[in-house]
Amino acid sequence: DAMVIQNPRYQVTQFGKPVTLSCSQTLNHNVMYWYQQKSSQAPKLLFHYYDKDFNNEADTPDNFQSRRPNTSFCFLDIRSPGLGDAAMYLCATSRDNRGNSEQFFGPGTRLTVL
Amino acid sequence: AQSVTQLGSHVSVSEGALVLLRCNYSSSVPPYLFWYVQYPNQGLQLLLKYTSAATLVKGINGFEAEFKKSETSFHLTKPSAHMSDAAEYFCAVTVTGGGNKLTFGTGTQLKVEL
Repeated sequence: DAMVIQNPRYQVTQFGKPVTLSCSQTLNHNVMYWYQQKSSQAPKLLFHYYDKDFNNEADTPDNFQSRRPNTSFCFLDIRSPGLGDAAMYLCATSRDNRGNSEQFFGPGTRLTVL
Repeated sequence: AQSVTQLGSHVSVSEGALVLLRCNYSSSVPPYLFWYVQYPNQGLQLLLKYTSAATLVKGINGFEAEFKKSETSFHLTKPSAHMSDAAEYFCAVTVTGGGNKLTFGTGTQLKVEL
């Protein structure tokens, strides 16, 4: 089945220690998104790629970076995680960036910062 | 900018009873509206979407929603709740030209009791 895969599902890191979260897709979609979801809150868009074009949300902290080396993979790098960065990180894809294009979500990576 | 408001952060129903989850939207242009479901420690799964075709939209797992422009609403219903429906439900909106960025409501936690 075509899908969005996130690894690892659970990640523990130390305060200030860089961490990378991974997302891959077999849907061959052009757009990939990263969302941050804190406990009991709605997902919040951090950034997205339309093909190789990177689009950062205005309020995304500089501590968060992303890479998309090819169509299938996208990475979220947190350069110096703080306690406030503990959250579920969701990757999603869509075929294009038209408003009616369904987003397909991965299962998420739950990040714990010690 | 567009937004959605979900009335009721927690809704409790008996198994077999009607499920009604409320969503109101605000948008200066015609919206696209989505309902997603999220089970604990999982990603989001699309239940249904309104993309300006039929105003009554049928989704998976017996859910449906009706787009009412006059009331700026897109409420989610299911005639008979099942224990497996217990989850968090998010209403979300995008618009044409908005880069397919989902703006989520704050979510409604549905509890189903025996």
